[in-house]
Amino acid sequence: QKEVEQDPGPLSVPEGAIVSLNCTYSNSAFQYFMWYRQYSRKGPELLMYTYSSGNKEDGRFTAQVDKSSKYISLFIRDSQPSDSATYLCAMAGGNTGTASKLTFGTGTRLQVTL
Amino acid sequence: SQTIHQWPATLVQPVGSPLSLECTVEGTSNPNLYWYRQAAGRGLQLLFYSVGIGQISSEVPQNLSASRPQDRQFILSSKKLLLSDSGFYLCAWSAGTRATNEKLFFGSGTQLSVL
Repeated sequence: QKEVEQDPGPLSVPEGAIVSLNCTYSNSAFQYFMWYRQYSRKGPELLMYTYSSGNKEDGRFTAQVDKSSKYISLFIRDSQPSDSATYLCAMAGGNTGTASKLTFGTGTRLQVTL
Repeated sequence: SQTIHQWPATLVQPVGSPLSLECTVEGTSNPNLYWYRQAAGRGLQLLFYSVGIGQISSEVPQNLSASRPQDRQFILSSKKLLLSDSGFYLCAWSAGTRATNEKLFFGSGTQLSVL
């Protein structure tokens, strides 16, 4: 079993829809949760960074963490064609070390259609 | 503000040829630096990371090597490329706080095709 599981998609939604992207994980030591957005042939861009359980909102994006279920989500409201990208979740345990300990999901490809 | 530069964006190399990819970071000191490879459907694979000049940690045995000759410069090299070295290579940096929850920032990537 992988430490982090993420549905690869593709997920196709019409413009204006609410998008829900999810990851599950098995390591209960994870405390820090991130979402990256990656456009085709570009480097991943940090979108959301959260600590422990709860919600964090930034514009049209909401990150949600449920540590009891080991489940994290990224919601995109009023989705736009420019949101079409691959979204990667990542998580870390907050111990001494470096970001080399960051564990990534394989990414979900999202396509927002006109 | 901090920026990361990675070049070239695209590279086509014959099997057996050498490789040198370079990455530089601006606007920060003593960053941790990373090289990742991304294969389709397989996610990000950490290849090397460095916490300081001349300090390189290798995550997977392979045909590649890394060097950090200056504080904000990270180089990925190979003496003889293999077909299996093809992929999308990403350089990244994080603030050198020695914590696993550091935010990781990526360069724009190099698409390497070995033919």
